[in-house]
Amino acid sequence: DAKTTQPPSMDCAEGRAANLPCNHSTISGNEYVYWYRQIHSQGPQYIIHGLKNNETNEMASLIITEDRKSSTLILPHATLRDTAVYYCIALYSGGGADGLTFGKGTHLIIQP
Amino acid sequence: DAGVTQSPTHLIKTRGQHVTLRCSPISGHKSVSWYQQVLGQGPQFIFQYYEKEERGRGNFPDRFSARQFPNYSSELNVNALLLGDSALYLCASSWGTGLGYFGPGTRLTVT
Repeated sequence: DAKTTQPPSMDCAEGRAANLPCNHSTISGNEYVYWYRQIHSQGPQYIIHGLKNNETNEMASLIITEDRKSSTLILPHATLRDTAVYYCIALYSGGGADGLTFGKGTHLIIQP
Repeated sequence: DAGVTQSPTHLIKTRGQHVTLRCSPISGHKSVSWYQQVLGQGPQFIFQYYEKEERGRGNFPDRFSARQFPNYSSELNVNALLLGDSALYLCASSWGTGLGYFGPGTRLTVT
């Protein structure tokens, strides 16, 4: 599975859009990009995933560059409850969870 | 539908003891994966079971073992506990073998 890199921390003002970057320059053609978040001491929560096209759901939008080497998770109107660690993960379609590493993610802090 | 459930929520054990953690997947999901998360780190993969067979094993010692039952629930067993086994143990379920939905975790403290 491709290694991903994320900034260790980010701040965002409440009500503004939070844009979380992820670099996955070695991603292969059939690896999906997944985003999870983890609020302190809880289990990670699935947010969104995508392969090539941009994706949007009720929680967030995922923008994947045309070369697929990076992506951005967008929380359109951040609230204090969005403060969490956000993980970007690359995984083969149909691939197993073995060898999967979450890394340390990005600690997003929403400021009031 | 109920999400992934794990029991117990918290557990305190002494070094050298054995522990069993339990996970019930989302209804219809056939795969269960286990992860260990120590403070300040992301979850680390331990095992994945799909259709009651082991499909993957992370870099953990043989003191760690798991199994999946016919109803797709799963147990994680850890023998000869060490202080370093103190962590949040997470279970995730999925229909196939990819990433899935996580449970709330079991907080294990080894003293």
